Formats: sequence, C-alpha cells, structure tokens
Amino acid sequence: RKEVEQDPGPFNVPEGATVAFNCTYSNSASQSFFWYRQDCRKEPKLLMSVYSSGNEDGRFTAQLNRASQYISLLIRDSKLSDSATYLCVVNGGGGADGLTFGKGTHLIIQP
Amino acid sequence: EAGVTQFPSHSVIEKGQTVTLRCDPISGHDNLYWYRRVMGKEIKFLLHFVKESKQDESGMPNNRFLAERTGGTYSTLKVQPAELEDSGVYFCASSLEPGRDTSTSLYNEQFFGPGTRLTVL
Repeated sequence: RKEVEQDPGPFNVPEGATVAFNCTYSNSASQSFFWYRQDCRKEPKLLMSVYSSGNEDGRFTAQLNRASQYISLLIRDSKLSDSATYLCVVNGGGGADGLTFGKGTHLIIQP
Repeated sequence: EAGVTQFPSHSVIEKGQTVTLRCDPISGHDNLYWYRRVMGKEIKFLLHFVKESKQDESGMPNNRFLAERTGGTYSTLKVQPAELEDSGVYFCASSLEPGRDTSTSLYNEQFFGPGTRLTVL
C-alpha cells in the first residue's frame, strides 16, 4: 500500500467550476499535512497547510479527517491558471525527516 | 531574496559514469533536503542535512550515492557509478527549521529548487 494515495486524474474542468481532490495516507502517526502545487517541469510549491479544523485561503479550502486518514482540497471558481498537478504531502510520524508525497492529481481547467 | 538554486539543470551521462549535482539553499537555512522523482513515481525523500551534519539518510537508495555539505552551506550529491535506474529529477529543498516553529506551531516550509533532470543512457 502506498503511503499517500491520490487519484492521478486528469481532471478536466470548465473554467469557473468547483473541483475537489482527495487523498488518503497510511501512517496514522503523521503530524503535518499539506497540498503542494507543481507546474509542468517546475518545482513543487506549497499551496497550503492542512489543519484538523479545516482552513481556507481565498478560493481554496483544505480539510483533514484524522480518523479516516483523509485529506481534501476544494477549489472554487476555478481559473485557467489553476491548471497544474496537486500533490498531497504528509510529514512526521516517526519515520524519515523528509516529506512524503503522493503522485499527484493532474488538473486541467478548460476555457 | 534568492531561492534555492541547483546546478546543472540537465545532465545526460552514460551508465558507469559519475555525476555530481549541486544545491545552494536559501541563505540562512540550516536544513537542506534532497529528493528524487523517478518517472512515473512520486517524489521520494533521500536525505536531510542540518548544517553540515547528516540528520537522516534513510532514503538514500544505495552506496552509489554520496551527499556532502562541507561547511554547512551548499550541498553536493554524487552518483558513482550511475545506473539506468538513477534517471529522474533530483530536487533540493531548504528550510529554517526541520519541523514546527515552537513559537507559532506553524510548519516551517520547505522551499524547493528547480531540480536537476538526470538522464543515464
């Protein structure tokens, strides 16, 4: 079983629509959770951290369910510039120091 | 402020050759990480330096990989001898602290460099 699992997509979504991604993680001791965004042939960049209480940043809302080991990202009023790969990432839990990445979900916003 | 830089951006070598990748972290960041993405797979952690010390090298695939950070500034990752399966994108990241900022409880973000695309023929 992979440590972080995501639907690879691609998700083809019309501009202005709402889109949701999910991921699950296997290590119940994981302590920190994130969504990273990666554009084609670029480096990953932190989009937002994910907290148990849920958090919102503009059009983006992230949720964490520790009991189900499930993380979600909601993008409202999607823009063409939102097209990218979204990486679900966890950290901590007694394992290696580094981040543990999912393979990513590819999002294409269509005009 | 300059971000994390990596050199070279691309490297094409033949199986059996040696390649050295370099990473310059953001100035003042004591923590430096190496990651690798092999085609079709997720980004995987390789190792973590705190200043010049290896804090965690549990992700290093085998003894053909050697990472150094003499002086606690830039880091190099040498692959010798390179094998076909070493092809991929090697990312470096740096952060102020490895985990949570105890004063704010916020995670100290890891900033990634643009990566080095390594092709072993």
